[in-house]
Amino acid sequence: SQKIEQNSEALNIQEGKTATLTCNYTNYSPAYLQWYRQDPGRGPVFLLLIRENEKEKRKERLKVTFDTTLKQSLFHITASQPADSATYLCAPPNAGNNRKLIWGLGTSLAVNP
Amino acid sequence: GAVVSQHPSWVICKSGTSVKIECRSLDFQATTMFWYRQFPKQSLMLMATSNEGSKATYEQGVEKDKFLINHASLTLSTLTVTSAHPEDSSFYICSARATGFMTDTQYFGPGTRLTVL
Repeated sequence: SQKIEQNSEALNIQEGKTATLTCNYTNYSPAYLQWYRQDPGRGPVFLLLIRENEKEKRKERLKVTFDTTLKQSLFHITASQPADSATYLCAPPNAGNNRKLIWGLGTSLAVNP
Repeated sequence: GAVVSQHPSWVICKSGTSVKIECRSLDFQATTMFWYRQFPKQSLMLMATSNEGSKATYEQGVEKDKFLINHASLTLSTLTVTSAHPEDSSFYICSARATGFMTDTQYFGPGTRLTVL
C-alpha cells in the first residue's frame, strides 16, 4: 500500500540554522507532493506544492526538493526562527483517488532561541 | 487567498446532543470539501468527502448516520455529529479543494475542538 514516512523523532535546531525535514514515499510515484505546517490545536496550513518534473521549489525561506529516483522530498527552512516551530506534514495525493491526500504523523520541529 | 473558516472553534456539549460544525470557503468556490478528525498525537484521519449538490462519500468505518454532512452550496459544508458521546470528542477539521493544473490543493479550516461530557 502507499506509504509515506517522515522523520519520526522531533527535530531540534538552533535559531538561524537550516532545518531539513525528510519525506520518503513507497509503493507508488506521486505526480506531485504538498507540504503543510500544523500548529498545536490548529488545522494544517498549505506551504508549497512541488510536481514530479520540478527538482526544486522555493518560497521565501522555504525550499522543497523532489527526487523521484530516491522517492524522497526534502523540506528546508533557512535562517530558522522560533516562530517556525511546528509540525510539518508532507502529503502526496492518493494514487487510487487523487482528490484525497495521504497523511503521516509529520515531523515536529523546535527552533531554539 | 484560499481562506477557509470553520465555526465554532470549540464546543462542549452533553452526551446525547447533536452538534453542527460549519465550514466555509471565503474567497473561492469549492465543489469538494473534506472532513477530517484528529486525535492527539495522531495523523489526520479522513472521515468523508463532501460533494456540492450530492451525497457525501464516507470512509470505511465512519457511520454516515452519525456524521451527517450537507454541502448545499459551493462555499458551505456542514458536519452534524448526531447523538454525540464522549468517544466522539476530538478535533474536527474541514478542508476545501482548489484545483490547479493537474493538481489539487486542500486548504484547511482552523478546526473545531469538540468535547462531549
